[in-house]
Amino acid sequence: KQEVTQIPAALSVPEGENLVLNCSFTDSAIYNLQWFRQDPGKGLTSLLLIQSSQREQTSGRLNASLDKSSGRSTLYIAASQPGDSATYLCAVGGDNRKLIWGLGTSLAVNP
Amino acid sequence: NAGVTQTPKFRVLKTGQSMTLLCAQDMNHEYMYWYRQDPGMGLRLIHYSVGEGTTAKGEVPDGYNVSRLKKQNFLLGLESAAPSQTSVYFCASSLSTTGTNEQFFGPGTRLTVL
Repeated sequence: KQEVTQIPAALSVPEGENLVLNCSFTDSAIYNLQWFRQDPGKGLTSLLLIQSSQREQTSGRLNASLDKSSGRSTLYIAASQPGDSATYLCAVGGDNRKLIWGLGTSLAVNP
Repeated sequence: NAGVTQTPKFRVLKTGQSMTLLCAQDMNHEYMYWYRQDPGMGLRLIHYSVGEGTTAKGEVPDGYNVSRLKKQNFLLGLESAAPSQTSVYFCASSLSTTGTNEQFFGPGTRLTVL
């Protein structure tokens, strides 16, 4: 059974710092991996999707990597800003197209 | 495009009452999903649909029913609400099984059952 873990559960950093959020999964037979952002009381916004055949995806200051063999993905945020404060969720998609979710990392970027 | 919309945004029910949550998408997506999000539990799949007229059970389907009469709409019903169904409900959609299957989410419905 696929399990997804995100570490750390919470992170507080000063503005401008580069940071890495981690996501690990137990079954390497994945279809894709998706990173989402959730603001308090809001819905989920898709940030990046990595297909199983890809190693990384980039969007602006965000870079997500995927290492299937080790069961790990990282989300790199460059030059963090207070507006980046949110919960970041990792979800792994299997060949049944269902997503298995981590519990998220709550990020606070302090001015 | 409005993307994925959900109605209502908030609702308070008494135990035993029934209600229907509506999800609509204007992206011509084949797949639609209903999730619930609870503190410490993460998102859990309730039911999903792979196309108009089809539905399937997810991880936590008990106490819920769904219908997909039109491709753009996916309804989630609670026949007899229980306090354990207090949660935030999210609807999502994705294009197809052969594509990236990137899921797009609605803003959520906050349901409280007293």
